Amino acid sequence: GAGVSQSPRYKVAKRGQDVALRCDPISGHVSLFWYQQALGQGPEFLTYFQNEAQLDKSGLPSDRFFAERPEGSVSTLKIQRTQQEDSAVYLCASSSIQDVSYEQYFGPGTRLTVT
Amino acid sequence: AQKITQTQPGMFVQEKEAVTLDCTYDTSDPSYGLFWYKQPSSGEMIFLIYQGSYDQQNATEGRYSLNFQKARKSANLVISASQLGDSAMYFCAMRGLKVGNEKLTFGTGTRLTIIP
Repeated sequence: GAGVSQSPRYKVAKRGQDVALRCDPISGHVSLFWYQQALGQGPEFLTYFQNEAQLDKSGLPSDRFFAERPEGSVSTLKIQRTQQEDSAVYLCASSSIQDVSYEQYFGPGTRLTVT
Repeated sequence: AQKITQTQPGMFVQEKEAVTLDCTYDTSDPSYGLFWYKQPSSGEMIFLIYQGSYDQQNATEGRYSLNFQKARKSANLVISASQLGDSAMYFCAMRGLKVGNEKLTFGTGTRLTIIP
């Protein structure tokens, strides 16, 4: 079946531009997560949704970062006024509350480069 | 708060040998889950294995096993009979098991290279 998809796969933005990253989770998955992975590092948590409710946004690095999931399926991560330190791979993951292994299924990521 | 420590930035292993990737953790959660993910150069995160803190037996999935030592707070990944395709970054991760506490905390990873 279809896995988690993300678009675009690559994004180059000039400093100061706004960007929007899209995530399509696995159909029926209630939980959706965003992570940021800097070069050579492990992923770091940004925010988490259960259906349309954003239950945890403690990892968002600044108020320039905003995420939404208005209908409980597709999610968008928006970064306003991008800075060079925002350059990273942004990973989306989804999971089912019925999965006893609590596995999170990851998308291929969006590589954001801010110039 | 949760913390994962992976102390091996890189490892080189001969093909067909077994390899152990180290992971230690710290958490105040009474119940938690431990995970290993593989990230090839293509970038996708591939789930390998899961161990619950309440599980009495070590988890196994094919050539992967998790050596869980709760008192030592360690969750090492063992790969038996390594293959060239095992060359990748490996991340240890954990989460609490309370509802609403589902975020994963990752370590910094170990880059495994299998030598033919």
